[in-house]
Amino acid sequence: GAGVSQSPSNKVTEKGKDVELRCDPISGHTALYWYRQSLGQGLEFLIYFQGNSAPDKSGLPSDRFSAERTGGSVSTLTIQRTQQEDSAVYLCASSLRSGQTGSTLAKNIQYFGAGTRLSVL
Amino acid sequence: SQQGEEDPQALSIQEGENATMNCSYKTSINNLQWYRQNSGRGLVHLILIRSNEREKHSGRLRVTLDTSKKSSSLLITASRAADTASYFCATVPEYGNKLVFGAGTILRVKS
Repeated sequence: GAGVSQSPSNKVTEKGKDVELRCDPISGHTALYWYRQSLGQGLEFLIYFQGNSAPDKSGLPSDRFSAERTGGSVSTLTIQRTQQEDSAVYLCASSLRSGQTGSTLAKNIQYFGAGTRLSVL
Repeated sequence: SQQGEEDPQALSIQEGENATMNCSYKTSINNLQWYRQNSGRGLVHLILIRSNEREKHSGRLRVTLDTSKKSSSLLITASRAADTASYFCATVPEYGNKLVFGAGTILRVKS
């Protein structure tokens, strides 16, 4: 697609319910990131997928959070037994490739979706 | 934990004035990037500066990087009401791939 697509754009759920958030990255992008942003705050890294490598889950706040990326494309972030403190905007980003040197440097640039605003009542 | 710390947290200026935002970070970096966010939604990449660069320009944007002080600044010249947004710096560590974002500066440009 033309950009990173996230769905739903808004999600209201009751405490204790499970939710699934979807991210469809830019076609051809091998790296995919999930972030959480609480109101008026910066971005909190959650998880990172790079190609077929094992994901970096170091940012997941609890075992209620999980994510998968099927076929190296679409990713789903699942939050089980939601709590009120899970309320936030969940942002997904993709990049062409993680790289550090020379012409691959620009591939560190991340392209963001519009986010999913999650409200847990 | 967040590496970048921006200041000020909020900035309000008149249209036509220049806006300067600063970012400090803690560890060695490969590059530093600035992003803009409108209305609390997706971020848009503005500019990337490598660790061996000291200054970079893009249109009305000027970014400086001082690796000895572990700090960067973003200057927006001749600001416009449309520049109203939150601005975040983000660093890529020297050894690593993840972007680490600061808390952001909220810029309001009054017309």
